[in-house]
Amino acid sequence: GDSVTQMEGPVTLSEEAFLTINCTYTATGYPSLFWYVQYPGEGLQLLLKATKADDKGSNKGFEATYRKETTSFHLEKGSVQVSDSAVYFCALPLIPTQGGSEKLVFGKGTKLTVNP
Amino acid sequence: DTGVSQDPRHKITKRGQNVTFRCDPISEHNRLYWYRQTLGQGPEFLTYFQNEAQLEKSRLLSDRFSAERPKGSFSTLEIQRTEQGDSAMYLCASSSRVAVRNYGYTFGSGTRLTVV
Repeated sequence: GDSVTQMEGPVTLSEEAFLTINCTYTATGYPSLFWYVQYPGEGLQLLLKATKADDKGSNKGFEATYRKETTSFHLEKGSVQVSDSAVYFCALPLIPTQGGSEKLVFGKGTKLTVNP
Repeated sequence: DTGVSQDPRHKITKRGQNVTFRCDPISEHNRLYWYRQTLGQGPEFLTYFQNEAQLEKSRLLSDRFSAERPKGSFSTLEIQRTEQGDSAMYLCASSSRVAVRNYGYTFGSGTRLTVV
């Protein structure tokens, strides 16, 4: 079935370092792809999205490009800050089969810690 | 619009007790989802409401779990005879239409349940 696979964490970086968090997906067709962020003790917030192949989503200095050739949606940031410390989740929507509902399926998450 | 609200934020209960959580979605959203998130994992789908109708339940939702959404507004999730394995973050999310595939969800901050 449709799914996403994220790189295992945790990831620890120094401030101003370059960040890449890998996400690959398995899906029938070309679904939208999402990155969510979860700060400590909080729920998930939508960080960015891309709705079709070759689209680039961006927000708060983060970027991800939807690449259908490699079925990937890797998250990148050129210079991380301490405030970026959080857990990052890749997600895609499951298109319902008969009787099902349209819903998001999430990767396991990658914990990022940025040290000053 | 204050976003998706969940209450309580934290709940500690003794094994065998019943607990109930509440979710107030964004007022114009007719789709409401419950997810469960255990430590180090991504959110896992539990159940989905469209207006007041519960249209899908995951196999994760045992007979001890019940969810309601009277009048298509707020929703409650009840767990009877809690077990230690029920300890998790319970997340509520809402969406406005079948545009989950393009817009994703808005999540609440979650209710963290600890069963002792």
